[in-house]
Amino acid sequence: NAGVTQTPKFRVLKTGQSMTLLCAQDMNHEYMYWYRQDPGMGLRLIHYSVGEGTTAKGEVPDGYNVSRLKKQNFLLGLESAAPSQTSVYFCASSPGLAGEQFFGPGTRLTVL
Amino acid sequence: RKEVEQDPGPFNVPEGATVAFNCTYSNSASQSFFWYRQDCRKEPKLLMSVYSSGNEDGRFTAQLNRASQYISLLIRDSKLSDSATYLCVVNIYGGSQGNLIFGKGTKLSVKP
Repeated sequence: NAGVTQTPKFRVLKTGQSMTLLCAQDMNHEYMYWYRQDPGMGLRLIHYSVGEGTTAKGEVPDGYNVSRLKKQNFLLGLESAAPSQTSVYFCASSPGLAGEQFFGPGTRLTVL
Repeated sequence: RKEVEQDPGPFNVPEGATVAFNCTYSNSASQSFFWYRQDCRKEPKLLMSVYSSGNEDGRFTAQLNRASQYISLLIRDSKLSDSATYLCVVNIYGGSQGNLIFGKGTKLSVKP
C-alpha cells in the first residue's frame, strides 16, 4: 500500500516549456487535490476533483490544467511554464470532504 | 482578515518545555478542525483532529473555542523530534477553495 505517490520528484523547466505532474493513490479515495506551497504563503489549492471525470478550480488555478480520467490518478499540467510557477507541488487525496487528507511526497519544480 | 491565521514563530524551546500554538479562523461556518505537522522538505501529515470538547493524544492537547473562533495546540515535555512546522487547518464545506484551508504554519525548534 503505497498511499499517494507523485512523479517526478524534481524537475527543472525553461520558461515556456510544458510538463505534466502525475499523482496516483491506491486508497480508493474519491477526492483528490493539487496544492502548491511557497515560502511564506502556506499551502494553496490549485485544482481539485470530487470523483472520476470531474475537476474544479481552487484558489490559484491560472496557468494550470488538470484531468481525472481514472479514479486513482490526478494529473496536473503546465502548458507554458513561467518562473512564478517555481514551487513545491503536493497532491493529496481523501475519502470524503470532512476528514483527513493524505499527501504525496511532493514535486519540487524550478522554472528558469 | 485572513481565513486562518497563525503566529509564524519560530518558537525555540528547550527539551522538556511546554509550548502552545494558537490559531484563529474567520469563517464561522467552519465545520471541522485539524492540526497537521510538516517536517522540513516533507509532506504535511495529520497530527490530530480538534473536537469541540477538546482532545488529548499523549503529550498533545488540542482545544477549540467556537465562540472566539480560536484553536490551540499544547505540547508538553517537548522532544527533539517535535521540531517541525505545525499547520492549523480548517474545513469549510462547500467553499470555493475546496474544503481545507491551511494556515501558514508555526515553526517549532526544540533544542537539547
